Amino acid sequence: KAGVTQTPRYLIKTRGQQVTLSCSPISGHRSVSWYQQTPGQGLQFLFEYFSETQRNKGNFPGRFSGRQFSNSRSEMNVSTLELGDSALYLCASTGTSSYNEQFFGPGTRLTVL
Amino acid sequence: AQTVTQSQPEMSVQEAETVTLSCTYDTSESDYYLFWYKQPPSRQMILVIRQEAYKQQNATENRFSVNFQKAAKSFSLKISDSQLGDAAMYFCALRQGGGATNKLIFGTGTLLAVQP
Repeated sequence: KAGVTQTPRYLIKTRGQQVTLSCSPISGHRSVSWYQQTPGQGLQFLFEYFSETQRNKGNFPGRFSGRQFSNSRSEMNVSTLELGDSALYLCASTGTSSYNEQFFGPGTRLTVL
Repeated sequence: AQTVTQSQPEMSVQEAETVTLSCTYDTSESDYYLFWYKQPPSRQMILVIRQEAYKQQNATENRFSVNFQKAAKSFSLKISDSQLGDAAMYFCALRQGGGATNKLIFGTGTLLAVQP
């Protein structure tokens, strides 16, 4: 099976712009989670989607949003970018084993100037 | 609130030696899972080992094993016969059981260096 793919891999934006990141989960996986990784805050949970519904959300401002499509692909959007949004954004796809193991994508490195 | 604490920001081990990474956690749930993830310099996070809270037996995956002390809420990772490829950031993570969410709570990570 192909792994989790994320596009784009690198992105440079300026303050005030908006950005959309994409994640394609492993075939057959219906749950997608997003995490933000920064040197200062570490790995923080953004949100989780299951069957096109958001079922959990982290403590992030409303500028961060996401959605999931019927083919389980997910997008996250950040509006009005701030310098502090510079981070590695990781997407994780979850299988249906008893452990519900999460498989991570390579991430999208977002730099806000 | 659920928390995960890794008190060792950096560790170093000689090749072929054994190293133990520490992790403590806090949760009020009785049903939960614990994980160790490895993030090499290439940044792709991969699962190293997992433990279900209700299982008393410590999980083992080849050279990787855990010491799960439920009462003490401790979940350490032991890497035996360390290899150069083990050099990475290691994250301890906690997930609530029951299937209602796949949200992972991560610790701050331990950067492991392997000396040849």
